[in-house]
Amino acid sequence: KAGVTQTPRYLIKTRGQQVTLSCSPISGHRSVSWYQQTPGQGLQFLFEYFSETQRNKGNFPGRFSGRQFSNSRSEMNVSTLELGDSALYLCASLAGGGSYNEQFFGPGTRLTVL
Amino acid sequence: AQKITQTQPGMFVQEKEAVTLDCTYDTSDQSYGLFWYKQPSSGEMIFLIYQGSYDEQNATEGRYSLNFQKARKSANLVISASQLGDSAMYFCAMRERRDSNYQLIWGAGTKLIIKP
Repeated sequence: KAGVTQTPRYLIKTRGQQVTLSCSPISGHRSVSWYQQTPGQGLQFLFEYFSETQRNKGNFPGRFSGRQFSNSRSEMNVSTLELGDSALYLCASLAGGGSYNEQFFGPGTRLTVL
Repeated sequence: AQKITQTQPGMFVQEKEAVTLDCTYDTSDQSYGLFWYKQPSSGEMIFLIYQGSYDEQNATEGRYSLNFQKARKSANLVISASQLGDSAMYFCAMRERRDSNYQLIWGAGTKLIIKP
C-alpha cells in the first residue's frame, strides 16, 4: 500500500507570491490534516479535511486555505507569502472516524520564502 | 499554557543503552490519547506508539514502550537497546477534543543523538 505523498518536496518562492501544495493520502483514507513546522513555533495544526469538508481548523490567518477532492487528495494554498511562512508543511492521513491512533504522515514540502 | 512539555531539548546516549524521553501533559479531558512520533532528518514524521487515557497497561511496540503515569500526567517514551538509527527528533503529542472534533497538540521535541 503506497504511503502519503506530498508534492512538491521543495519550493522556493518570493514574498507576495502564492503557493499550492498537494497531498495524496493513503488509499482508503478519507481524512487529511495539514501542519506547519518551524524552528520557532514547532508543529502547528493548520486544518483537517474529511470527505471534502473542512472538519477542523487551527489558528492561522485566512491567507492559508485548503480543499479536498472527491478522491481524498488535498491541496493547501498560501496567498501573499511572507518570510515567516518558510516552513516544512506536513500532511497526514487517517482512515477517519475521529480516531488518531494511526495518523500517517507524508515526507513534507519544504517551502522557502525569499 | 503549555499543553505538552518536553523538558529535554537534546540528549546524547551511548549505543545499546536504554533511553527515556520525558513528556508531561495538561488536560481537563477524561478521554484523551498520547502519541510519540519520530522525525529523522529527512523530515517525515513516523508514528511510534499510542496510549489511550483509559488503557490500564502501558503501551509497547517492539523496542518502544510508553511509561504512562496518569496521576502525574506523564507519558515518557522508553527506547530499549538504542541503535544509531534512533538518532532523530522525537515528539510527544496529545489528542485533544476541540468542539466536536479532535486536534493533535504537539510538544517542542527532543533531539536524540546516539553515539557509537
